[in-house]
Amino acid sequence: DSGVTQTPKHLITATGQRVTLRCSPRSGDLSVYWYQQSLDQGLQFLIQYYNGEERAKGNILERFSAQQFPDLHSELNLSSLELGDSALYFCASSVHTGGGYGYTFGSGTRLTVV
Amino acid sequence: ELKVEQNPLFLSMQEGKNYTIYCNYSTTSDRLYWYRQDPGKSLESLFVLLSNGAVKQEGRLMASLDTKARLSTLHITAAVHDLSATYFCAVDYSGAGSYQLTFGKGTKLSVIP
Repeated sequence: DSGVTQTPKHLITATGQRVTLRCSPRSGDLSVYWYQQSLDQGLQFLIQYYNGEERAKGNILERFSAQQFPDLHSELNLSSLELGDSALYFCASSVHTGGGYGYTFGSGTRLTVV
Repeated sequence: ELKVEQNPLFLSMQEGKNYTIYCNYSTTSDRLYWYRQDPGKSLESLFVLLSNGAVKQEGRLMASLDTKARLSTLHITAAVHDLSATYFCAVDYSGAGSYQLTFGKGTKLSVIP
């Protein structure tokens, strides 16, 4: 157990639907990062939150959004899902911004869009 | 835009042999990470390299960082089957004021008995 908790582990949904992925960071970590891993695109950074505020955006689609709550857990919302959104979604956390003390990854949520 | 290139992307090696995986990156950074991923699993942190000349070793794996050459290497000594996995390097880079990881495409290692 890395200390970063992601739920659910697996999700199967239909095209056009909306899903929410949840991440609880390691205790004491203030930053949460979301990554998408797919066969064709590899591991791509989506978005980062630090202590409740958005700090950096990567290749995140407009159909996707995220937020970090006062208790520091984060949610990634994916809407109008397409087949190409099927991927493994990882959450990572770090103490501050950046990995000076390392990044810790969760076990991921495998999303399958049918 | 930061680019991280790993080579080789696929590596099949016999048990007992040595090999090196290379990771080149395009922008100045002194933070580089190596991760291991088993199929369908999470990313396991192997090494955190935070300065030029950093060298770290764990078991049969040794990682080094040359920030001037923008190059990191992951050396495998006397490979064993349990090392079969995909290995990623990732560079920590502050673009618009906040650090984030940019990953290489990964090296899929198969160690054959």
